[in-house]
Amino acid sequence: NAGVMQNPRHLVRRRGQEARLRCSPMKGHSHVYWYRQLPEEGLKFMVYLQKENIIDESGMPKERFSAEFPKEGPSILRIQQVVRGDSAAYFCASSRKTGVRETQYFGPGTRLLVL
Amino acid sequence: EDKVVQSPLSLVVHEGDTVTLNCSYEVTNFRSLLWYKQEKKAPTFLFMLTSSGIEKKSGRLSSILDKKELFSILNITATQTGDSAIYLCAVEAYGSGNTGKLIFGQGTTLQVKP
Repeated sequence: NAGVMQNPRHLVRRRGQEARLRCSPMKGHSHVYWYRQLPEEGLKFMVYLQKENIIDESGMPKERFSAEFPKEGPSILRIQQVVRGDSAAYFCASSRKTGVRETQYFGPGTRLLVL
Repeated sequence: EDKVVQSPLSLVVHEGDTVTLNCSYEVTNFRSLLWYKQEKKAPTFLFMLTSSGIEKKSGRLSSILDKKELFSILNITATQTGDSAIYLCAVEAYGSGNTGKLIFGQGTTLQVKP
């Protein structure tokens, strides 16, 4: 049973370019969460999605960031016009559903470096 | 504002030592508290705690939650170099729309020396 998969594992972008991060949840999981880990900081919640729906985007920056989880295919976190401050590790987690005792399992992360 | 605070932020011990990691929280709509171990890759799940006073154990690791005093501890006995990692505490809160988002502490970096 494959775990949560993320790609790419490492991504280098120049300022102003776009970054696309992909996350495939564990088999049987329909809930996806994105977290960001800035250097020397803990993980911060960004967005929670179910298939074709954004449920909670309270942690997403208001501009340049967007996320989707289409009916088919992986969840995508998209960062437009990246800036140096976007350099971080972006982790995706998935769960079967929300509720007590529904654990979130994390992927290996995408480490974004903006030059 | 909801917050989770871990202490110490870093810890260096020798193999065989016992360590206790602390996690305190102030979260409005507490649902559960989770511990993860983060090495170079994904945070890997260790424990989920929902009830006070019930110790969870897995090998040399154990954890307990105190919902009255709003804290949890993670104990590691007979530490090994393979225990070196960042240990993350997270609280799952009921959010709008019942989202179950996790609020993480800063992490405790544990280094176990041979």
